[in-house]
Amino acid sequence: EDQVTQSPEALRLQEGESSSLNCSYTVSGLRGLFWYRQDPGKGPEFLFTLYSAGEEKEKERLKATLTKKESFLHITAPKPEDSATYLCAVQAIRDSSYKLIFGSGTRLLVRP
Amino acid sequence: IAGITQAPTSQILAAGRRMTLRCTQDMRHNAMYWYRQDLGLGLRLIHYSNTAGTTGKGEVPDGYSVSRANTDDFPLTLASAVPSQTSVYFCASRLGDTQYFGPGTRLTVL
Repeated sequence: EDQVTQSPEALRLQEGESSSLNCSYTVSGLRGLFWYRQDPGKGPEFLFTLYSAGEEKEKERLKATLTKKESFLHITAPKPEDSATYLCAVQAIRDSSYKLIFGSGTRLLVRP
Repeated sequence: IAGITQAPTSQILAAGRRMTLRCTQDMRHNAMYWYRQDLGLGLRLIHYSNTAGTTGKGEVPDGYSVSRANTDDFPLTLASAVPSQTSVYFCASRLGDTQYFGPGTRLTVL
C-alpha cells in the first residue's frame, strides 16, 4: 500500500534556527514527490516537485531533497512568516489518475 | 477569476440534507480533483476527473457524487449528508503532474 509519513507532527523554532522536516514514503514506483505549504484556513500552495533520488530544489529559505525512501525539507534561518503546515505527497507512476497521497503534515511555528 | 474558486466558503448543514459544493477553474486544466481534509488524516481523494465527460472514484467516494459537464466546473454533491462528512473540502486542478488547490469549503453536518 502506498503511504506517506511525516515527522515531526509539530516543530517550534526560534527565528534563525535552521532545521529539517522529514517525509518517509512507500510507493510502488514513484512518479513524483510533492511539497506543499498550507496556511490556516487556506488551500495547499505548491512548493516543489522531486522526481528522482539525489534531486534537490530550492526556493528562498527552503530546500527539498529526495532519496529512495524519504524526502527532507530543509529550512535555513527561518522567519516567522515561514510558519505554516508543510505537506508532503507522492504520486505513483502506475496511477493514471495522477492522484496525490498525502502525509498528515508538519506544523511549523517560528517564533521571533 | 484567477485560478480556482470554491463556494460556499463555509456551510452548516442538517443531516439528511442534500448539498452541492461548487468548484470553478479558469486555467483550462483538463484534470480536476476533490479532496477532504480531516485532522490527523491528511488530505484524501474523493473523486477525480481526467477530462470533461469522465469521472473516477478516489479513496473515499461513498456518499459523494460528481459530474464534469465542461472543463471549468467540477461540482461535488452530498446526496444525504451525514455527520461523518464534516470536513474541509478542497478542489484542485492539474497541469502536467502538479495539482493546484482552491481555498476550500468548510462543511459542518449536524
